[in-house]
Amino acid sequence: QVQLQESGPGLVKPSETLSLTCNVSGGSISTYYWSWIRQPPGKGLEWIGYIYSSGNTYYNPSLKSRVIISVDTSKNQFSLKLTAVTAVDTAVYYCARGGSFLDVWGKGTTVTVSS
Amino acid sequence: DIQLTQSPSTLSASVGDRVSITCRASQSISGWLAWYQQKPGKAPKLLIYKASTLKTGVPSRFSGSGSGTEFTLTISSLQPDDFATYYCQQYNSYFTFGPGTKVDI
Repeated sequence: QVQLQESGPGLVKPSETLSLTCNVSGGSISTYYWSWIRQPPGKGLEWIGYIYSSGNTYYNPSLKSRVIISVDTSKNQFSLKLTAVTAVDTAVYYCARGGSFLDVWGKGTTVTVSS
Repeated sequence: DIQLTQSPSTLSASVGDRVSITCRASQSISGWLAWYQQKPGKAPKLLIYKASTLKTGVPSRFSGSGSGTEFTLTISSLQPDDFATYYCQQYNSYFTFGPGTKVDI
């Protein structure tokens, strides 16, 4: 079955860019939507955005100015870039399959923003 | 933006209890609502989508109902594995998650 795995630095300095990749295994990335969601420590879930395998993107309006989501179908992976991070961007970041309900999730990766 | 509220925020229950969680939307979302279960340190798991459709493999003690602005997740007989936090999510317009309901003993 399809499995997702997030990867990227666990520590990012303030004002820098957070970069994460989600590797999709056990199935093709094509013809699906793929999402990023985050969860600050002890808090609820926040949708960041999603991308279709063709490259069309949809972002949370509150983050839109700082977010870029991209897809690489040849590598069966998609990526998240979040610019100008601050401490409030510290969270567990999840990738998931879906552009409506999210039926497959990665295990999540913790990103801390600190100098 | 569509806002979601959940009630209660915390629910204390016992094994075997029937429990219900309510999710309310700030405007009509038709039936475009999903429910997730999350345990500490784990990713959320999809339970129900389109308000009442049970994901394959999810126990039948879970059920969902509602449309428009008010939705309910019901667990007919609470099992030890069900103690967790539950989130609703609307996908009528982009995505929004509810604040969560913690079900504990």
